[in-house]
Amino acid sequence: GAVVSQHPSWVICKSGTSVKIECRSLDFQATTMFWYRQFPKQSLMLMATSNEGSKATYEQGVEKDKFLINHASLTLSTLTVTSAHPEDSSFYICSARDLRKNTGELFFGEGSRLTVL
Amino acid sequence: AQRVTQPEKLLSVFKGAPVELKCNYSYSGSPELFWYVQYSRQRLQLLLRHISRESIKGFTADLNKGETSFHLKKPFAQEEDSAMYYCALKADSNYQLIWGAGTKLIIKP
Repeated sequence: GAVVSQHPSWVICKSGTSVKIECRSLDFQATTMFWYRQFPKQSLMLMATSNEGSKATYEQGVEKDKFLINHASLTLSTLTVTSAHPEDSSFYICSARDLRKNTGELFFGEGSRLTVL
Repeated sequence: AQRVTQPEKLLSVFKGAPVELKCNYSYSGSPELFWYVQYSRQRLQLLLRHISRESIKGFTADLNKGETSFHLKKPFAQEEDSAMYYCALKADSNYQLIWGAGTKLIIKP
């Protein structure tokens, strides 16, 4: 099956620093990837849709200058949390769909837990 | 408005008992619905989709357009079924999904 990998799986940083999270589709190409945020015991919150070769589409209330998304290739999307603060601490998850399949299924990364001190 | 509602945050049943996780949706078009599952310390993965009308790990879900529901059922729960279950609705051709809040299923021994 299609595999999506995220890196790092866990990161701790100081307040004010920037953190980059990578999302890779390992064995398929993905023109579209989705970035989610998951708070403890809560559902997934879609942050943005990452489009290869063009600007990401952000959901209402998500600061695009705060959460920079770059989808430079068909297998890699990155989320950079700029000037991170403790309230940005969360579990970030990416997903992608396999263009070879027309099933609507999304494949998820294992998630990246960000802790901002 | 497009919306997916999972009314139960937590559902706890005994092993061997039937399980039903509720999901209702609101969508003006022809819906495509999915159930995703997240086992402890594992990534989200697709459990089943209504289009394929399949049974996975003993779970089934029938789309009821009249009641706008897509409830997930299993006749005899197993301990390994304990997980978070999310109902999702495909919103557009970009495969963006509208997610329910999730239901945590606990199977007691």
